[in-house]
Amino acid sequence: NAGVMQNPRHLVRRRGQEARLRCSPMKGHSHVYWYRQLPEEGLKFMVYLQKENIIDESGMPKERFSAEFPKEGPSILRIQQVVRGDSAAYFCASSANPGFRNTIYFGEGSWLTVV
Amino acid sequence: QKEVEQNSGPLSVPEGAIASLNCTYSDRGSQSFFWYRQYSGKSPELIMSIYSNGDKEDGRFTAQLNKASQYVSLLIRDSQPSDSATYLCAVKLEGGSQGNLIFGKGTKLSVKP
Repeated sequence: NAGVMQNPRHLVRRRGQEARLRCSPMKGHSHVYWYRQLPEEGLKFMVYLQKENIIDESGMPKERFSAEFPKEGPSILRIQQVVRGDSAAYFCASSANPGFRNTIYFGEGSWLTVV
Repeated sequence: QKEVEQNSGPLSVPEGAIASLNCTYSDRGSQSFFWYRQYSGKSPELIMSIYSNGDKEDGRFTAQLNKASQYVSLLIRDSQPSDSATYLCAVKLEGGSQGNLIFGKGTKLSVKP
């Protein structure tokens, strides 16, 4: 009964490179959410996806960031041309059915360091 | 700007005492409230959810919600050193999409043996 799986757990990128973070939701879950946690800051919602659809991207930076959740395979958060300010922990969460009392479960996170 | 406010702490309590963590939120229409625990370098772990005014108890944890005061709290009875962590309050805004939770910055709790 695997939980939300994220990889890589730790990623180091040089400024200007691309970072790809992957997330496989919990078994039976079809809703995926990405959050970012900057050092000493709270979690910030980025994007909510269902299979092949972006439902809410109100928290995504307008440039360089994109997310997808294809029909097959994990959800991917892609950061192009990374800058030092992108260094953070990126958490993926998933849930089963949407609803008033929807509970989301977090993965272990991917720690991105930009050098 | 919808906000969730928590005292950053650290809150230090002796082992066996009651730890009281507080949270206020700005969106009066919010209906869903959550407490997550996060150990350093780890992911948030759901402890409690509460949706109605009043108290909800689960083991050593009690969540309290007062929508009129826009206030939610978490009490931890018989605190243990293993409870030392950062506690995150999260609120789902009225009309917000599922999973679009607004988190406070967290209160760091330290339980001293």
